[in-house]
Amino acid sequence: GAVVSQHPSRVICKSGTSVKIECRSLDFQATTMFWYRQFPKQSLMLMATSNEGSKATYEQGVEKDKFLINHASLTLSTLTVTSAHPEDSSFYICSASGTTTYEQYFGPGTRLTVT
Amino acid sequence: DAKTTQPNSMESNEEEPVHLPCNHSTISGTDYIHWYRQLPSQGPEYVIHGLTSNVNNRMASLAIAEDRKSSTLILHRATLRDAAVYYCILRDDYKGGATNKLIFGTGTLLAVQP
Repeated sequence: GAVVSQHPSRVICKSGTSVKIECRSLDFQATTMFWYRQFPKQSLMLMATSNEGSKATYEQGVEKDKFLINHASLTLSTLTVTSAHPEDSSFYICSASGTTTYEQYFGPGTRLTVT
Repeated sequence: DAKTTQPNSMESNEEEPVHLPCNHSTISGTDYIHWYRQLPSQGPEYVIHGLTSNVNNRMASLAIAEDRKSSTLILHRATLRDAAVYYCILRDDYKGGATNKLIFGTGTLLAVQP
């Protein structure tokens, strides 16, 4: 299957700072990318959907000014957690898909810890 | 999005078959049934999907009830590496296909005993 990478895999930051997470599709063009958040022992919660070159569509309850998503190319999307707080500590997972695929390819996830 | 219902957890013994059930009584005609699994501390991975007919691939088989209100994921010989959370998800693939979002439920935590 296709490969999706995320960087960094783990990040620790201080409260009030911003953190950027990258999601890359390594061997296919991802017209659509998705960002999920997962708290311990819970399921994945979809945060937003982004299409290349367009503004992201956020799910209800997700603050778009806090979670900035950029999908500037067919292989890269970024999620920036602005002014992070301890409650933003979570496992962030991206996925990518193309118009010729039927499955979503998930990245390995980024564990964010805000101290 | 149509809802699915899965048991919270199941146990299996290594080398034995595992049948993971999923109920989706409100499925619509254009909903495909997708299965993903998530190993500990990893992102989910695709397992299988189908519409009406039973499907087989190298990972698993998917048996879909004739009325499509339920389905069963079958792992033919469970291994320790199959221990994961298995998610059954409905998605309307007729428009947009994989560019449509997946909404994850709580899934089934499968434990495999040696």
